[in-house]
Amino acid sequence: EVHLVESGGDLVQPGGSLRLSCTASGFTFSNHWMSWVRQAPGKGPEWVANIKHDGGERYYVDSVKGRFTISRDNAKNSQYLQMNSLRAEDTAVYYCVKEWDSTAIIPAAKRYWGQGTLVTVSS
Amino acid sequence: EIVMTQSPLSLPVTPGEPASISCRSSQSLLNSNGYKFLDWYLQKPGQSPQLLIYLGSNRASGVPDRFSGSGSGTDFTLIISRVEAEDVGIYYCMQDLQTPYTFGQGTKLEIK
Repeated sequence: EVHLVESGGDLVQPGGSLRLSCTASGFTFSNHWMSWVRQAPGKGPEWVANIKHDGGERYYVDSVKGRFTISRDNAKNSQYLQMNSLRAEDTAVYYCVKEWDSTAIIPAAKRYWGQGTLVTVSS
Repeated sequence: EIVMTQSPLSLPVTPGEPASISCRSSQSLLNSNGYKFLDWYLQKPGQSPQLLIYLGSNRASGVPDRFSGSGSGTDFTLIISRVEAEDVGIYYCMQDLQTPYTFGQGTKLEIK
């Protein structure tokens, strides 16, 4: 069974930094693209960033480019989101999401979401 | 950025009756290999989103067959043939043809 456990969410002041972690189990982590998706209170989901199975490609939504960095450690079955220069509008539940299987023939992401960790940016 | 537009935003349904949700993309989600990069998710109250349909019309593992998806390059539909009480929540379409992947605004299904 797939398990994704996020951690690191906290209350942080505007301009501050935070590092989110996600530990995965139940699947071959090193075969999968991984992503972070956030959901502000009362709003719909917003895709934030993803990273290729080998870490060789990374993509970001424009609003976080230059401030957030996605990374992974396949030896630890973990991915991370380093968030700098945080703003009030970054307040959201951040979900760790399993995406594309690099070994699959059909290009379906078949996303599986963790339970999320809350990031609150406020003074 | 591809813009996703859902309708309706609110959907009251009587149990046992069908329900239909529309999703329109600002550009075609059909790639050169014929795949339609459109997923449907359901977020039940207090839970994270769960995958219902991938590549426009394929039911995810464990999803009841009362859920079906269809569509062309820009117009997609999720149909629930007979709504049950457990189907309440917010339904989102999402495109993953190109980054940034984007979601529709969501359709809140409630039981009458």
